[in-house]
Amino acid sequence: DVKVTQSSRYLVKRTGEKVFLECVQDMDHENMFWYRQDPGLGLRLIYFSYDVKMKEKGDIPEGYSVSREKKERFSLILESASTNQTSMYLCASSRGAGNTIYFGEGSWLTVV
Amino acid sequence: GIQVEQSPPDLILQEGANSTLRCNFSDSVNNLQWFHQNPWGQLINLFYIPSGTKQNGRLSATTVATERYSLLYISSSQTTDSGVYFCAVNTGTASKLTFGTGTRLQVTL
Repeated sequence: DVKVTQSSRYLVKRTGEKVFLECVQDMDHENMFWYRQDPGLGLRLIYFSYDVKMKEKGDIPEGYSVSREKKERFSLILESASTNQTSMYLCASSRGAGNTIYFGEGSWLTVV
Repeated sequence: GIQVEQSPPDLILQEGANSTLRCNFSDSVNNLQWFHQNPWGQLINLFYIPSGTKQNGRLSATTVATERYSLLYISSSQTTDSGVYFCAVNTGTASKLTFGTGTRLQVTL
């Protein structure tokens, strides 16, 4: 069965902290994505990666960076967390363009 | 970029009722998917449907690509159908999806 696993379900961090959100998929998918979801705004793409060490900015990359050292793992990094980054973060993966996308369970991040 | 609009934004149904959710998009698409997000946040893919009609149990979806819309039908709704329904599209050769803002469905007893 398809599985996308996000390492932390709920996190509380202080303003200015460096935050790592980890995502692992077990389907050998080429593409991986990080979205954030906010009320009334739907899901917005932060970054995506179509291969190891490759990344592209999505619609809202400011304040975030990503790392993909291995095919199965895609990390989202908040270099200096701010309160406006309080949100739910969703990781996803897919085999390639035009294929079904699978989501993890989400990580709820609160920055205080 | 492409715009994706969903209607209605909110919907309350009594158990057993039928409903139709709509997704309009502003440009030609290569990929359209419908998702259900349960109350715990998990997004589940319902349909991959860039064109045509598909059915899965009580759910079915139709995409009319030439007219730039897709419909999701829910028949004999159950309380477990509650949650938010999203459609998402992409264009060209890109893999990334653009999501609509969703329809929040509540099914009551």
